[in-house]
Amino acid sequence: DAGVTQSPTHLIKTRGQQVTLRCSPISGHKSVSWYQQVLGQGPQFIFQYYEKEERGRGNFPDRFSARQFPNYSSELNVNALLLGDSALYLCASSAQGNYGYTFGSGTRLTVV
Amino acid sequence: GQQVMQIPQYQHVQEGEDFTTYCNSSTTLSNIQWYKQRPGGHPVFLIQLVKSGEVKKQKRLTFQFGEAKKNSSLHITATQTTDVGTYFCAVIMDSNYQLIWGAGTKLIIKP
Repeated sequence: DAGVTQSPTHLIKTRGQQVTLRCSPISGHKSVSWYQQVLGQGPQFIFQYYEKEERGRGNFPDRFSARQFPNYSSELNVNALLLGDSALYLCASSAQGNYGYTFGSGTRLTVV
Repeated sequence: GQQVMQIPQYQHVQEGEDFTTYCNSSTTLSNIQWYKQRPGGHPVFLIQLVKSGEVKKQKRLTFQFGEAKKNSSLHITATQTTDVGTYFCAVIMDSNYQLIWGAGTKLIIKP
């Protein structure tokens, strides 16, 4: 079985642009979470979706939005990019969202 | 909000020595998870502990959850080069299902 897949793996954007990151969870997993990880720090929670509904939101500005599709894949959108948005964006899936998470390899976003 | 303090930030060991990282909270935790992240990689789930005083072993790794459920530790016996990486503890918040992460402990094997 495939693990959690994320695309793209790397991305370079200019300040003010918009970006969409994609995630496909493990087959059968209905929960998808998004995390931002800055180098040298632990991941920071952005969103969790379960059965296509937002179940949790972290302390990120409204420039960050996400959605989950009927096939449980998910997109994370970030508008009006800032230099500080440069980070590794991780997607994690779980069967129900309350046990161990399986992380994808991440999308490394660089804003210049 | 909920915080989990993790120490030390770094630990340098000779191959074959033991390694321990600790996580502490000022409040009672309902659960604690442990993850490993290799350099340049992504976090990999190791284990979840939920019971007071729980001890679980995975080969050379021993995980403990304190009696008061306010602290946890990960101990690696006889470290190997494959153990290199950053070890994180994390807690699932019941309110919004987010994982609250410790700062991580980086295991470095001395050459």
